[in-house]
Amino acid sequence: GQNIDQPTEMTATEGAIVQINCTYQTSGFNGLFWYQQHAGEAPTFLSYNVLDGLEEKGRFSSFLSRSKGYSYLLLKELQMKDSASYLCAVRDSNYQLIWGAGTKLIIKP
Amino acid sequence: DVKVTQSSRYLVKRTGEKVFLECVQDMDHENMFWYRQDPGLGLRLIYFSYDVKMKEKGDIPEGYSVSREKKERFSLILESASTNQTSMYLCASTEYTEDLSYEQYFGPGTRLTVT
Repeated sequence: GQNIDQPTEMTATEGAIVQINCTYQTSGFNGLFWYQQHAGEAPTFLSYNVLDGLEEKGRFSSFLSRSKGYSYLLLKELQMKDSASYLCAVRDSNYQLIWGAGTKLIIKP
Repeated sequence: DVKVTQSSRYLVKRTGEKVFLECVQDMDHENMFWYRQDPGLGLRLIYFSYDVKMKEKGDIPEGYSVSREKKERFSLILESASTNQTSMYLCASTEYTEDLSYEQYFGPGTRLTVT
């Protein structure tokens, strides 16, 4: 079966750095997405990786290793507004998205 | 800015009622999707549509149907609502990008409670 694993919850301190991991086992691979979802709101797109390596976008970076079936989202200089759930999703060989359950990130002052 | 709107943010229905959830997008996207989101589970695809009058079953289509009569509108129908359909329902649409990074644009969601 297809599976995406992420930690359920993480806590970090304002101003610090946090890394959210995602491991996947899917039928084929056509890209990995990270989305942010604030409580009660719609998910919004953060990043897309299809090749191995690190993609940087401001305070957020996303890394992919296809051989290991592994990705992480790195958030730097954490702000209180970064408190949200972070969803990892993989597009499989049929170009369908398989979603992880999300990681709830709690930022403390 | 892409906008995806859903007809209701909150809805309470009784078991056995027929329920319509409407979704409208304003960016001329070909593809539209209906998901449900439950605590501890990832988004699960109910149905999707890649063109007017075209529909494809997702992972959990049982108990649901859809309608796409116009490109901008995609409706989800619960023929006879049941308590296990209490959930957050999210609509999404997708644009095409040359590098295949087609991100999904989501509506605000409808929290449906079936009593």
